[in-house]
Amino acid sequence: DAGITQSPRYKITETGRQVTLMCHQTWSHSYMFWYRQDLGHGLRLIYYSAAADITDKGEVPDGYVVSRSKTENFPLTLESATRSQTSVYFCASSEGGSQKTQYFGPGTRLLVL
Amino acid sequence: TQLLEQSPQFLSIQEGENLTVYCNSSSVFSSLQWYRQEPGEGPVLLVTVVTGGEVKKLKRLTFQFGDARKDSSLHITAAQPGDTGLYLCAGQRRTNAGKSTFGDGTTLTVKP
Repeated sequence: DAGITQSPRYKITETGRQVTLMCHQTWSHSYMFWYRQDLGHGLRLIYYSAAADITDKGEVPDGYVVSRSKTENFPLTLESATRSQTSVYFCASSEGGSQKTQYFGPGTRLLVL
Repeated sequence: TQLLEQSPQFLSIQEGENLTVYCNSSSVFSSLQWYRQEPGEGPVLLVTVVTGGEVKKLKRLTFQFGDARKDSSLHITAAQPGDTGLYLCAGQRRTNAGKSTFGDGTTLTVKP
C-alpha cells in the first residue's frame, strides 16, 4: 500500500541495547522527519533529512543516529537505549519547503526497561 | 525553548458547545498549520494559513492567522464527540524551509 509506514509498531527493550526503528514512504518525498511525543509534550524533532545522504539535527538529537541511503527509507537508531527514551516515535515525510504538509506514520511505541 | 504556546492544554466540553483554542508565539512564522491527532494514530493536517489576518473555514472549524503572523486560533462551532482529539499547531519559517516547530497541543474531549 502507498503511504508511510513504521515498524515495529510496538517495541520493548532493555537499557543499554541498540534499537532501530524503521520508516518507509512510497511518495518519493524529499523530506523525512523523526519526532518523539511524550505525555504533556507535543512533537519534538529528533532528526530530519532534506534528501538522500543529507541529514541534520533537530531539537533533541542526543542518543540517536539516523541514516538515509535511499530516498524512501529513514531508519532511526538508539545506540544505547535509556529509560528516558521511552516514548512514542513518529516518522513523517513531506515534499519540502514551507507550507508543505507533513504526512505522519502510525507511530512506534517504545518502552525501555 | 517552547516557541509555540498552546492554550488551554486540556478542554472538556459538552456536545453542542463552542470552543476556541489558541496558539501563540513571540516569533513570526511564514506559515502555520493545524493538525489533529486521534489516539494511537499520527497527526493529520487540517489546514495551512500563510497570510496575516487570514481566515479559513473547514465545516464547523474556523482557523485564523494573526495579523502579525505570530499567533493563530482554532474555533469549533457546535462541537461533536467526533471532534475529540489532540489539536496541534505547527509553525514554519522561511529560514528553516521544510522544518516545523510544534506546540504542545490541546487535548479536546467532547462529551455526548
